[in-house]
Amino acid sequence: KAGVTQTPRYLIKTRGQQVTLSCSPISGHRSVSWYQQTPGQGLQFLFEYFSETQRNKGNFPGRFSGRQFSNSRSEMNVSTLELGDSALYLCASSLASGRGGYTFGSGTRLTVV
Amino acid sequence: ILNVEQSPQSLHVQEGDSTNFTCSFPSSNFYALHWYRWETAKSPEALFVMTLNGDEKKKGRISATLNTKEGYSYLYIKGSQPEDSATYLCAFPFGNAGGTSYGKLTFGQGTILTVHP
Repeated sequence: KAGVTQTPRYLIKTRGQQVTLSCSPISGHRSVSWYQQTPGQGLQFLFEYFSETQRNKGNFPGRFSGRQFSNSRSEMNVSTLELGDSALYLCASSLASGRGGYTFGSGTRLTVV
Repeated sequence: ILNVEQSPQSLHVQEGDSTNFTCSFPSSNFYALHWYRWETAKSPEALFVMTLNGDEKKKGRISATLNTKEGYSYLYIKGSQPEDSATYLCAFPFGNAGGTSYGKLTFGQGTILTVHP
């Protein structure tokens, strides 16, 4: 079966711009989580969506937002980009949160210049 | 602040060596403990999800144990091979205020394993 698909794979944006990243989960998976990975901070939780509702949120500023559609696909948006937003953004999906393992996508590498 | 700690930070072993690393997590309100393997240029891959104290899981040459009372898990690799070189991450799902969702994984910093031929 198809894995978790993230688009685009690479992105270069200018400081102050906004960006939208997309994640298509494994068919049937209703939970989608987003993570930011930077060399200094490791993998940091952004938010989790389940059935179009945000159920958990990490400690990120309001410039980071997300949503989930009825087909479970999810998008995350970062407005007013800062240099420090340069990172690998991973999404992960699962059937139900917590007990089961998560399947990760390959990530979107965002570079802010 | 609830922390997940992993040690050592990095490890270099020779092909054929057996190795192990540790993940420490909060022992209260335990729900589950995840292990992932993350190879360079790939996605993190789920190895184990452990839920019961005393649990021991095995996948080929890799196994893991869990002690929820003292808050630690060990990951063992028997007869390491160069293809085992990766970052091994453990993650602890924290619940939301209502306790009905545990979709927030807090990851340790990982153990970087390098297996030399």
